[in-house]
Amino acid sequence: EVQLVESGGGLVQPGGSLRLSCAASGFTFSSYAMSWVRQAPGKGLEWVSAISGSGGSTYYADSVKGRFTISRDNSKNTLYLQMNSLRAEDTAVYYCAKDSESYGFMDVWGKGTTVTVSS
Amino acid sequence: QLVLTQSPSASASLGASVKLTCTLSSGHSSYAIAWHQQQPEKGPRYLMKLNSDGSHSKGDGIPDRFSGSSSGAERYLTISSLQSEDEADYYCQTWGTGRVFGGGTKLTVL
Repeated sequence: EVQLVESGGGLVQPGGSLRLSCAASGFTFSSYAMSWVRQAPGKGLEWVSAISGSGGSTYYADSVKGRFTISRDNSKNTLYLQMNSLRAEDTAVYYCAKDSESYGFMDVWGKGTTVTVSS
Repeated sequence: QLVLTQSPSASASLGASVKLTCTLSSGHSSYAIAWHQQQPEKGPRYLMKLNSDGSHSKGDGIPDRFSGSSSGAERYLTISSLQSEDEADYYCQTWGTGRVFGGGTKLTVL
């Protein structure tokens, strides 16, 4: 069974840092691009960042560029999101998602991990 | 700029059909999209990828009640024989320089 399990969320003060992880299983992890998508309370889905299967290419939304870093460890089947200089507006549920065979379209989602930025 | 536009809400009766619309911004009418469903208090679920010619490929376990079609810059999701569990938010998604989501349509089943 294909599965994605996020972890690492929590409460952090403005300006602080947090690292999210997403453990993947049930598929050849290194063969697929992966993304992080977030959802602020009561709002829609917002794409945050994506990374190619090899990890050689990374992409970011303007709202997080320069503050967040996506990475992956294909030997551990794990995706990461390092979040620095966190702001109140980064408060959201963060989901990881796997691309389908068609690049750019997500076909498997995790259940999410909650990040709250507040003093 | 690549933008996906969805109506904020839709409603239909139990057992009826409903057609949700996602509109691609000017100059992007050839783009494929994906439809995702998010039931209350749950994570998103992939429904299907929908091409500009109306061909589509559904995710594992997605019922035949869910189908997709296209016309110009518009991409549609039709749900027939509506059930209570179809009450959810529906998002369209595509990609350009990054991934892009529509604002979502909240479907109410009456």
